[in-house]
Amino acid sequence: NAGVTQTPKFRVLKTGQSMTLLCAQDMNHEYMYWYRQDPGMGLRLIHYSVGEGTTAKGEVPDGYNVSRLKKQNFLLGLESAAPSQTSVYFCASSQSGGSGELFFGEGSRLTVL
Amino acid sequence: DAKTTQPTSMDCAEGRAANLPCNHSTISGNEYVYWYRQIHSQGPQYIIHGLKNNETNEMASLIITEDRKSSTLILPHATLRDTAVYYCIAASSGNTGKLIFGQGTTLQVKP
Repeated sequence: NAGVTQTPKFRVLKTGQSMTLLCAQDMNHEYMYWYRQDPGMGLRLIHYSVGEGTTAKGEVPDGYNVSRLKKQNFLLGLESAAPSQTSVYFCASSQSGGSGELFFGEGSRLTVL
Repeated sequence: DAKTTQPTSMDCAEGRAANLPCNHSTISGNEYVYWYRQIHSQGPQYIIHGLKNNETNEMASLIITEDRKSSTLILPHATLRDTAVYYCIAASSGNTGKLIFGQGTTLQVKP
């Protein structure tokens, strides 16, 4: 049981390039989330999804787009990367939106030069 | 969701109980208290959560005051592997599960 898997784990981009981070979960969870964590800081919610085909904005959505075409996958896109998007990105999933536990992936470290 | 306040850092001797406080004085009736931890640069790990009553699981105990304005996470016998950043979060049951993480408490367990 893999849980939550993020791809890629490391990536270096040049300013203006685009890329997509993939999050896959095998627990049949309804809810999925993308967070970012800057050095010495807590996690901040970028976007989330409450089910297949739905997405919503979190605390810091600007500069990112997301899609949830399949229940098990949640994609985070950067259309034109900026140095301010250098961060570690964490994906999470949960069975319910109520008092459920969030399961996190191991993170994707992105550097934008 | 209610704001939580935690000490920036704490030390604990290995084998002793670690008591991590959290203040959430503006918590509302339908908000749960969640605890997560993050070891080094790994993804956060769920520890425990509660609404009103004290809770215990294989990892920790959660003590919530009667007025629900504060809580304490207790790791009964801290080990070096418990060194991590611990996050206390207050979130409502209907918030679609999105949790707002603060800066947490860095717990250093010392031999």
